[in-house]
Parts: sequence; C-alpha cells; structure tokens
Amino acid sequence: DIVMTQTPLSSPVTLGQPASISCRSSQSLGDSDGKTSVSWLQQRPGQPPRLLIYKTSNRFSGVPDRFSGSGAGTDFTLKISRVEAEDVGVYYCLQATQFPLTFGGGTKVEIK
Amino acid sequence: EVHLVESGGDLVQPGGSLRLSCAASGFSFSSSWMQWVRRAPGKGLVWVSSINGDGSITSYADSVKGRFTISRDSAKNTLFLQMNSLRAEDTAVYYCVKDSGATVWGQGTMVTVSS
Repeated sequence: DIVMTQTPLSSPVTLGQPASISCRSSQSLGDSDGKTSVSWLQQRPGQPPRLLIYKTSNRFSGVPDRFSGSGAGTDFTLKISRVEAEDVGVYYCLQATQFPLTFGGGTKVEIK
Repeated sequence: EVHLVESGGDLVQPGGSLRLSCAASGFSFSSSWMQWVRRAPGKGLVWVSSINGDGSITSYADSVKGRFTISRDSAKNTLFLQMNSLRAEDTAVYYCVKDSGATVWGQGTMVTVSS
C-alpha cells in the first residue's frame, strides 16, 4: 500500500499569512495518462470534506485562488497564500493512483 | 447541481448488519466511479470501498474485505454499502464520494457499533 505521510500535524497561522502543508508518498505516483493523481481536501468543523485540488495542481470549481498545489514524484505541497478565518479546518492529501486509495493523516490549520 | 445524500446509519450491536444508501443526482451516475470513505471519531479519513460505473469492478480496504459489499443501482441512481459482522472499530461517519479523485462528498451518515 502507498503510505501518505503528511506534515505538519498542526499549523497555527496568523490571519493574512501564508501556510504550507506537505505530503510525501512511500512510492512515486503517476497514473497511466502521465498525470499524478494527488488531491487535497479541506474539512471544516462540522462539515463533510471538500475537494480543493485535483491531479496535483488543478483547483476545483469554486476554490479560491489563494489555494495552490504543486509537486511530483513523491513530494507534494498545498499552499495557502493568505490564510483567512474560513480556512480553519483539517486538510488531507489523497492518492488515487492505485488501490487501496490512501489519505494523509491530516493537518489541522488554526488561527494563532 | 451534483448532490449525494447518504442514509441508513444507525446504532447496531457488534456482529450486526446495516445497509447504507447514497442517492445521487445532477450527474451521469452510471458513468462515474463511486466510493465510500469513513471517518472514525477523533481520527482521519479512511477509504473503505470503490465501484466502477457499471458495477463490474470493486475494491475494498483490507479491514472490511469479506464483511462489506459495495453495489449500485443505476436505474435508481443509488449507491449501497452492505455491512455485515460489524465491529466497534467500524464506528464512524460514512461518506459517499463521487470519482476516485473525490470531487463531491455527501453529508455523511453515522454508524455506531456498540452493545
């Protein structure tokens, strides 16, 4: 199974400042069409998860452009350029390149 | 608008069974991979099972293999998860999710396994 190691566990951030979350996979990711199937999800308190980024760097419909994804091979990053109060929650990376699908352990973003 | 609505969650005793349903609307259900993902209290997201558009391919997490069965009814745009031999560690909110890339999530349904 592919293990997704996500860091940090917790990220206290000042409003308006950037935040960065990393995800490292236990093996190189890349599906048959040559595109890496890594997604980033946000789960706000009391809500279901919501897709932010798919295939490493594509913002999903309606996602603000302060969210961006990057990476290749085994190292992937989600960046929030300027954290807003509504960004509080837990963030997860997900690999869908092969079964079993696996999530990172989650990063809790909170305001300092 | 794409919509997923789960139902069927309940309190059940260890060893018991439950059938979860997910009503889908707003997209071509028969063309879409679908999955179940769960989140236990205080824990992270865990993939449970996936099924392809025509139901011919299924996959399961090792922790549920042989106990859970995923299926779909394309005539009714509904996804199912039959859960047998339930254990305390199956206690979680179960989410219905569209596509392997997890594009759309339902609100979830709570399953509690306890005596």
